[in-house]
Amino acid sequence: SQTIHQWPATLVQPVGSPLSLECTVEGTSNPNLYWYRQAAGRGLQLLFYSVGIGQISSEVPQNLSASRPQDRQFILSSKKLLLSDSGFYLCAWIWGLNTEAFFGQGTRLTVV
Amino acid sequence: ILNVEQSPQSLHVQEGDSTNFTCSFPSSNFYALHWYRWETAKSPEALFVMTLNGDEKKKGRISATLNTKEGYSYLYIKGSQPEDSATYLCAFLTTDSWGKLQFGAGTQVVVTP
Repeated sequence: SQTIHQWPATLVQPVGSPLSLECTVEGTSNPNLYWYRQAAGRGLQLLFYSVGIGQISSEVPQNLSASRPQDRQFILSSKKLLLSDSGFYLCAWIWGLNTEAFFGQGTRLTVV
Repeated sequence: ILNVEQSPQSLHVQEGDSTNFTCSFPSSNFYALHWYRWETAKSPEALFVMTLNGDEKKKGRISATLNTKEGYSYLYIKGSQPEDSATYLCAFLTTDSWGKLQFGAGTQVVVTP
């Protein structure tokens, strides 16, 4: 069966510090991978998605970046966090666009 | 930029009442429409994936319809129960941005006994 792991669950980081959130999928190959953020009181904002290794589409120009170094690994990074980066980050995957997406447990990031 | 809109933003329902809400999306280049249920402190879980105009899907007391020509989908909850309280998200995919799964802001449903 397929599973998705996302860590850490919570993170408190000072402004200007770097960020690395990791997401891995097990039990499937060549999934589409996604990073979303829920800001307070809002829906899911698509940040990045990837349809294959090394292929990253960015939806929101900002100080975040994403990488897909392996087929089932998706990493969200920042060199210097801003206060506005605080929020709830979710990783998701789909295998085949006619099928449902599966989500990780999320990371609550607070930038102080 | 959000191309998908959900309304209302929130609604309160009495236990036993039925309710419905809307997801609107661009009708051009449509590929698929997803519905998810998101409970507090949990991850979103899929309800339906719909691809064909006129599609109707049902899971228990929850059902959904799809109109791709006019760009909307309705989600219905029949005989609402307190456990139906959640945020309901829709998301859509188009053929021109392959793989881009874009969500609406959600409709928050609160069912009171």
